[in-house]
Amino acid sequence: EIVLTQSPGTLSLSPGERATLSCRASQSVSSSYLAWYQQKPGQAPRLLIYGASSRATGIPDKFSGSGSGTDFTLTISRLDPEDFAVYYCQQYGTWWTFGPGTKVEIK
Amino acid sequence: EVQLVQSGAEVKKPGESLKISCKGSGYSFTDYWIGWVRQMPGKGLEWMGIIYRGDSDPKYSPSFQGQVTISVDKSSSTAYLQWSSLKASDSAMYYCARTGGSAYYSRYFDFWGQGTLVTVSS
Repeated sequence: EIVLTQSPGTLSLSPGERATLSCRASQSVSSSYLAWYQQKPGQAPRLLIYGASSRATGIPDKFSGSGSGTDFTLTISRLDPEDFAVYYCQQYGTWWTFGPGTKVEIK
Repeated sequence: EVQLVQSGAEVKKPGESLKISCKGSGYSFTDYWIGWVRQMPGKGLEWMGIIYRGDSDPKYSPSFQGQVTISVDKSSSTAYLQWSSLKASDSAMYYCARTGGSAYYSRYFDFWGQGTLVTVSS
């Protein structure tokens, strides 16, 4: 089973700032089959990024994904109030597993 | 419009059985996988298992193998998650989610149901 680790656990930033979230896998993720999701309180998760760097339909370009192998990054270029949420990475190359999440909170 | 609509919240006692549902619409149900994801109160997402149109056996996370059963009714475009004997530790929100396609490169979850809250308490 591929274990995903996300860091930091909590990121405290101000609106307008840049957020950089990390996701590390215990072994190489096949063909960069890595996705990122956003979840707000009381809501279902929403797909942001798939294939490590492709934005899902309707996702603004302030969200970008990068990485390969075992190290992946989600960057939010400029935080808006609606971007404060929990973000999960997920690998779908070898079965499916989720990371524990990074909470992006208002500083 | 793609939609996954899940059945309503459930309150059950330990030892009881339960089957929750997830009805897909707005797309060809049999062309996509449907997965189930657990979220315990205040915790993260856990992949439980997945099924592809009922033609083949469901695939389960080792953590959930033998604990739940996933099935599909193609005629009604509905996926199910069931327990034969609930425990208090099964109390959680359960989400169904559709993959982006059937191929390996599209097995991320692009559409999600609204969630079904299951509470197990004596």
